[in-house]
Amino acid sequence: QVQVVQSGAEVKKPGASLKVSCKASGYTFTSYYMHWVRQAPGQGLEWIGIINPSGGSTTYAQKFQGRVTMTRDTSTSTVYMELSSLRSEDTAVYYCARALEGGFDIWGQGTMVTVSS
Amino acid sequence: QSALTQPASVSGSPGQSITISCTGTSSDVGSYNLVSWYQQYPGKAPKLIIYEVNKRPSGVSNRFSGSKSGNTASLTISGLQAEDEADYYCCSYAGSSIYVFGTGTKVTVL
Repeated sequence: QVQVVQSGAEVKKPGASLKVSCKASGYTFTSYYMHWVRQAPGQGLEWIGIINPSGGSTTYAQKFQGRVTMTRDTSTSTVYMELSSLRSEDTAVYYCARALEGGFDIWGQGTMVTVSS
Repeated sequence: QSALTQPASVSGSPGQSITISCTGTSSDVGSYNLVSWYQQYPGKAPKLIIYEVNKRPSGVSNRFSGSKSGNTASLTISGLQAEDEADYYCCSYAGSSIYVFGTGTKVTVL
């Protein structure tokens, strides 16, 4: 079935970097863009950016520019999101979600990231 | 890019209809018919329930409907059921491959 499966929970120290993976299956990986979205505890959804798995082009929300890098590996149908210079405010659940017709139709299970000293 | 504005909470009795608004600007909601809505239960990933303003994915109840007027999009839930109690988020395309989410609305079934 169509699904995206994310890597497991992470605990990071302030200033460190984070890399979350999102493995797609059940569909043609290069045919659909992939979004990254996060949700801080008790807060709403926040769009981080989008990657085109075909050519690798990316667009990031202004808030994250300079700190986020999205990449993909077509051989394993996996996209990655790396976030650097972590601070406590980056504590959140991070989701990847497949893009379809202006919406986000298939979501990963989420990756809990805790930033704490 | 500022978050789209939604009411913090909306409530209704079983069987009633409720409407959740999502107010943006002429740069996002007002410019594109690419508004989507998501339902989220606590501890779960969001689920797409409306895309392109008023289209429902396969398997989504026809009790959910979407519309848009100017800079404001709306989600209507008709025949409210206990299972509809959840958080709801709108999202809009804002040009240049940028997207923005709404602030979220908690729906309570009385």
